[in-house]
Amino acid sequence: AQSVTQLDSQVPVFEEAPVELRCNYSSSVSVYLFWYVQYPNQGLQLLLKYLSGSTLVKGINGFEAEFNKSQTSFHLRKPSVHISDTAEYFCAVSRPTSGTYKYIFGTGTRLKVLA
Amino acid sequence: GAGVSQSPSNKVTEKGKDVELRCDPISGHTALYWYRQSLGQGLEFLIYFQGNSAPDKSGLPSDRFSAERTGGSVSTLTIQRTQQEDSAVYLCASSDHRGLAGAEQYFGPGTRLTVT
Repeated sequence: AQSVTQLDSQVPVFEEAPVELRCNYSSSVSVYLFWYVQYPNQGLQLLLKYLSGSTLVKGINGFEAEFNKSQTSFHLRKPSVHISDTAEYFCAVSRPTSGTYKYIFGTGTRLKVLA
Repeated sequence: GAGVSQSPSNKVTEKGKDVELRCDPISGHTALYWYRQSLGQGLEFLIYFQGNSAPDKSGLPSDRFSAERTGGSVSTLTIQRTQQEDSAVYLCASSDHRGLAGAEQYFGPGTRLTVT
């Protein structure tokens, strides 16, 4: 069975500092990987996704993530964060060959950007 | 265009009562998902529809939970005999999977359910 682990429940970081939010998945088959963001009092929206091809994926708002098959990771990074990046970030996985479009989400990482 | 809408936005109910939560997906989206979001629990998958059928309802916590989708559009999640542990935000998402397994999910604003 698939699972997604986001080890950090909260990450405080100062404005303009770099940040990395960690995501590890478990699956013995190929997967699709996603990062979603939920701003305070808003719905979730897609930041970026990896389906195939280049392992470095760029998303909205200056975020990027790198797919590492050997480490089964898909960590999210941003070189310089802003106050407006304060939000909850969710990693998700789906299996393209399973015949179903079910997505499994991690428990989320709350990013708090400090002035 | 219009996004995913959910109603009501907030629902307070007494323990033991039944509740119905509604989701209107984006027009034309074939797939519809229900999730439950509790504090510290992330998004818990409940059920997924492809058209009007539910290929995967493995996430429904108990037989008090049921969902249906009609006309390939609107979906209703029903919780019977609500319990306090059912209190959470219920999120709906839709996706257009025609020919693309990795399609983006579009989420609604959620229904916050409080069982007293």
